[in-house]
Amino acid sequence: QQQVKQSPQSLIVQKGGISIINCAYENTAFDYFPWYQQFPGKGPALLIAIRPDVSEKKEGRFTISFNKSAKQFSLHIMDSQPGDSATYFCAASKRYAGGTSYGKLTFGQGTILTVHP
Amino acid sequence: SQTIHQWPATLVQPVGSPLSLECTVEGTSNPNLYWYRQAAGRGLQLLFYSVGIGQISSEVPQNLSASRPQDRQFILSSKKLLLSDSGFYLCAWSGGTSRFFEQYFGPGTRLTVT
Repeated sequence: QQQVKQSPQSLIVQKGGISIINCAYENTAFDYFPWYQQFPGKGPALLIAIRPDVSEKKEGRFTISFNKSAKQFSLHIMDSQPGDSATYFCAASKRYAGGTSYGKLTFGQGTILTVHP
Repeated sequence: SQTIHQWPATLVQPVGSPLSLECTVEGTSNPNLYWYRQAAGRGLQLLFYSVGIGQISSEVPQNLSASRPQDRQFILSSKKLLLSDSGFYLCAWSGGTSRFFEQYFGPGTRLTVT
C-alpha cells in the first residue's frame, strides 16, 4: 500500500513536444505529491509539488495534473527542451504524521527523459 | 538560504574496509535528516531517518549505520563494506517553517566498493 508506480521507464521526445510522465499511488493517506528532476551525477532537485485539494498546478512549462479519485498524478512538460533531458521521479507522502512516518517520501522508480534537438 | 553539503564526492574503497560519509546542513535548525541510496541511477531507497540529535530510525536492515552527533550533521558509517554497498548515497533534509514536508537533497557521494 506504500507503492508509487511510475511510467514510462524511459521517454524520448522531440524538441518543442510535450513530455508526459504518469504516477499512480495506493495509499489514500498520501497528501503531498512532489516531482524531482535529477541530472546525471547530481542529487535530485525539487521541481514542483501538488496537494490533493487542487487538480492542477502550473509553474512555467511544468504542470502537475492530479486525479484524486483515480489515485493518479502526472507531470507535463510543455515545449520540451534538450536541457530538460534528465531523470524524473514522482513521490508521495503524508504531510502531517506522527511518529516515525513523519516526512517520509515514497518514490516512483524514475523516468529517463531524452529530448532530441 | 539553506545549503546541504556532502563529502566526499566520490570514494573507492576495498571490500571489508570501513566507511564514513558526512552530511551537513546550513541555514536551518532542527531539520529532519535522511540518508538514501540510489543504485544504477534509478530508484531512491530510504536508509535512515532522523528527527533530532541521537534519534535514528532505520528503514532497511543492512550493513550500514547512521549517527547524528550534532543538530545539522548526519553521518553514514559501516564497519566492513560489502560489494553490494556500492551506489550513490544521498543526504536530504526537511524542516523549517511552514513547508517542513519538502525534502531537499545534497549533491551525493558516489561509492564504489572493489
